Amino acid sequence: ETGVTQTPRHLVMGMTNKKSLKCEQHLGHNAMYWYKQSAKKPLELMFVYSLEERVENNSVPSRFSPECPNSSHLFLHLHTLQPEDSALYLCASSRGAVSYEQYFGPGTRLTVT
Amino acid sequence: TQLLEQSPQFLSIQEGENLTVYCNSSSVFSSLQWYRQEPGEGPVLLVTVVTGGEVKKLKRLTFQFGDARKDSSLHITAAQPGDTGLYLCAGEMTTDSWGKFQFGAGTQVVVTP
Repeated sequence: ETGVTQTPRHLVMGMTNKKSLKCEQHLGHNAMYWYKQSAKKPLELMFVYSLEERVENNSVPSRFSPECPNSSHLFLHLHTLQPEDSALYLCASSRGAVSYEQYFGPGTRLTVT
Repeated sequence: TQLLEQSPQFLSIQEGENLTVYCNSSSVFSSLQWYRQEPGEGPVLLVTVVTGGEVKKLKRLTFQFGDARKDSSLHITAAQPGDTGLYLCAGEMTTDSWGKFQFGAGTQVVVTP
């Protein structure tokens, strides 16, 4: 596999469920990002990890919990979500921590019922 | 408050026509990126501009960064159906923490044969 991969591509979950999104980058990059993309809204940066350390947390509700076990993998753990959390969740990576040139995965389309 | 305003929100043109989309802000950016996102995929980086007044060309696409580094435009010459997609601009703030970027809401471009 090359680039940035995300699984699952689609997820439907109830408000009481717990699920996790997975992201893997095969580019040898040092920074990874989670974004939320809702219809007709700008991408919202949720979390940034650099060298496996969280360096940015954009006031995201605690029902979203990120985990970065190594520089190639990033998870987003979800629990007790709300219907307004339904969106496309995008993972990205970049070569360096200060890099603005990001490579995105295809996203996970999340629907909360 | 949306820091990056993109216009128009939607643009539909015939194959062979030219088009320009705009990205404007009242803030100064140290760099600005343009991405294209196709349905079911994540954004793909097209170009990065860093110098005020800079012009970059990518085949039929011409990108310009404003002199004051507050705005940018993307011009497509002789558009083709393959140019269809959501065009996003993203800016790296000069005064913000590294790794944090602002995205516009995007311009949806549809090129019909």
